[in-house]
Amino acid sequence: GAGVSQTPSNKVTEKGKYVELRCDPISGHTALYWYRQSLGQGPEFLIYFQGTGAADDSGLPNDRFFAVRPEGSVSTLKIQRTERGDSAVYLCASSLGLAGDSYNEQFFGPGTRLTVL
Amino acid sequence: SQQGEEDPQALSIQEGENATMNCSYKTSINNLQWYRQNSGRGLVHLILIRSNEREKHSGRLRVTLDTSKKSSSLLITASRAADTASYFCATGPMDSNYQLIWGAGTKLIIKP
Repeated sequence: GAGVSQTPSNKVTEKGKYVELRCDPISGHTALYWYRQSLGQGPEFLIYFQGTGAADDSGLPNDRFFAVRPEGSVSTLKIQRTERGDSAVYLCASSLGLAGDSYNEQFFGPGTRLTVL
Repeated sequence: SQQGEEDPQALSIQEGENATMNCSYKTSINNLQWYRQNSGRGLVHLILIRSNEREKHSGRLRVTLDTSKKSSSLLITASRAADTASYFCATGPMDSNYQLIWGAGTKLIIKP
């Protein structure tokens, strides 16, 4: 398909474990975003990549969270020493990444539901 | 932190009726967008309205924006069961072409 894909769709882990969540953006989209969404809430911004670099990581809650995008396409969100409070749906989005005043519509993947027991 | 606040939090109407959802925000914006999220699916972009626009239409959707009141409304006419979803407004700040600040959403249920 041509949309944003995320794997796995569901991840159950135990407190203290390490997890990796993967995002495949739309081909040709240089911008990639990670959000976190808790039940009954809107998405909460985590990090924004332009190409391979993290242009804005101000939303990462603490140093247990880290994301990479080594080749400017696929991205991995990594969470160390998971806590129960990390349980949420993690959403990835991508956009064309146009510069200047052009607004970049974001296209979202279906999300990964993370449950930390 | 979340900027937008949707009102109501939940709305249940009969199929065929119109549904109106409101969004208020706090800071100056470049644009405001509405998204739909079905259960178990990702967010789908519905419509974008720029800060210099007052009204926009797309099919059965009508969006208004009042920057003096920092508010927007989304009207869905002739609702269908398939419109059942959560609807979110997201604002794009003046100084960014990528940031989106989201509200908590309105859960809309269309009863057949």
